[in-house]
Amino acid sequence: KTQVEQSPQSLVVRQGENCVLQCNYSVTPDNHLRWFKQDTGKGLVSLTVLVDQKDKTSNGRYSATLDKDAKHSTLHITATLLDDTATYICVVGDRGSALGRLHFGAGTQLIVIP
Amino acid sequence: EAAVTQSPRNKVTVTGGNVTLSCRQTNSHNYMYWYRQDTGHGLRLIHYSYGAGNLQIGDVPDGYKATRTTQEDFFLLLELASPSQTSLYFCASSAEGGAEVFFGKGTRLTVV
Repeated sequence: KTQVEQSPQSLVVRQGENCVLQCNYSVTPDNHLRWFKQDTGKGLVSLTVLVDQKDKTSNGRYSATLDKDAKHSTLHITATLLDDTATYICVVGDRGSALGRLHFGAGTQLIVIP
Repeated sequence: EAAVTQSPRNKVTVTGGNVTLSCRQTNSHNYMYWYRQDTGHGLRLIHYSYGAGNLQIGDVPDGYKATRTTQEDFFLLLELASPSQTSLYFCASSAEGGAEVFFGKGTRLTVV
C-alpha cells in the first residue's frame, strides 16, 4: 500500500511562474519529512527537511510547509527557472531513532518551459 | 565532502547472470540503503543496513541479496538476474533517524 502520495503527477509551468507541489502521507509515526530534487537519471539532492508538528522552511526560491495533524506537506517554488525542471520527491521518515526508515513518494515531474 | 559512490554506473547482463552492485560512503553514516526506481513508482527499498554485518529486508527483496562488509561498503547481489530487475538502482546513506541523507548517482542495470 502506498503510504506517500504526491500530486500532481506532472506539472508544466512557464519560466518565472510560481508552483506548488503537494504531499499527503499515512506513515506513522512521522518523525520528519524531506523534499528531494532529482534531475533526470541522476541522484537525489535534498532541498529541505521539516520536523515540527507545524513547520515551515525556506531555502532560496524553495519553501515548504508541514502539518503533521493533516499529514500533509507542500513545496512552493517561486519564480521558476528552466533548471528547476526535475522530479520532486517527498520522503517521510518514520523514526528519529536507529530503527528509522524512509518512505518515498513517486514524485512530481515538473517541466519549466521558456 | 559527503559522498556516496556507486559502481558500476551502467551494467548490461544476460538473464540468469550474476551481478554485484557496489556502494561506498565516506559520510561516517551507520545506515545504508539500496533502492530501485522504476517509472510510475517511487523509490522502493530493497535492503538496508544499520551497520557492518547488519542486514534488514526492505519492501521488494525478492531476487536480491545484500551484504554490508564494513561501515563504508554495501553490496547488492543479483545471483540469477531476470529482465524484471532491469531498473535504476540507488544507494543511500543516512545519519541516525535520517537527519542527513545522501544518495549516489545511480546504477542503470539492464537484463537482456
